[in-house]
Amino acid sequence: QSVLTQPPSASGTPGQRVTISCSGSSSNIGSRAVTWYQQLPGTAPKLLVYSNNQRPSGVPDRFSGSKSGSSASLAISGLQSEDEADYYCAAWDDSLNGVVFGGGTKLTVL
Amino acid sequence: QEQLQESGPRLVRPSETLSLACSVSGGSINTRTCYGGWIRQPPGKGLEWIGTIFRSGNTYYNPSLKSRVTISADTSKNQFSLKLSSVTAADTAIYYCATCDSTSWSKFDPWGQGTLVTVSS
Repeated sequence: QSVLTQPPSASGTPGQRVTISCSGSSSNIGSRAVTWYQQLPGTAPKLLVYSNNQRPSGVPDRFSGSKSGSSASLAISGLQSEDEADYYCAAWDDSLNGVVFGGGTKLTVL
Repeated sequence: QEQLQESGPRLVRPSETLSLACSVSGGSINTRTCYGGWIRQPPGKGLEWIGTIFRSGNTYYNPSLKSRVTISADTSKNQFSLKLSSVTAADTAIYYCATCDSTSWSKFDPWGQGTLVTVSS
């Protein structure tokens, strides 16, 4: 059971907008920055969004992050086939004194 | 852009100690406030943070692994290392190292390619 809760799966058709949620508590998302990672099949995770809504250089602006209270969301607009991957949220947890990850969401592009 | 590479035995016997090193190229870890972290992923499962080491010498470990984990750094070799003792089959996973960010402790970038470590007799 992960400290951060994500839906196990999500799907959309090319061009569509999809949103992946990440639910936590006051000791993690509620008080700390959220990070999102993308893991393509058979590869290492890649930084997608940090500090709730900042994109590293090279990440398309189709990807956007947001946070409200103890929940966060990753939105992907203009869905493309190459977006099919696993997505993970993460945050520091002040109670556990460590990094916690969501269980991951498998995104399928139909 | 820095590049990271994990190295170490791919097969570890139960009850023994898993040892991995993360070599960093393209930059000196000594210039960073946060050296790096280790994250693992059991086959077909999600990511699990193992621990993070800072230049100050402070280390933070996953509470569920804390009694068995040691992360250290060797700045002369530009690398940081992981030791996990008393391993069992449940420790079989892909082990990733990544550089960390002192301003956002859940931000790891870049990551190494990962190495699959199997615990088996």
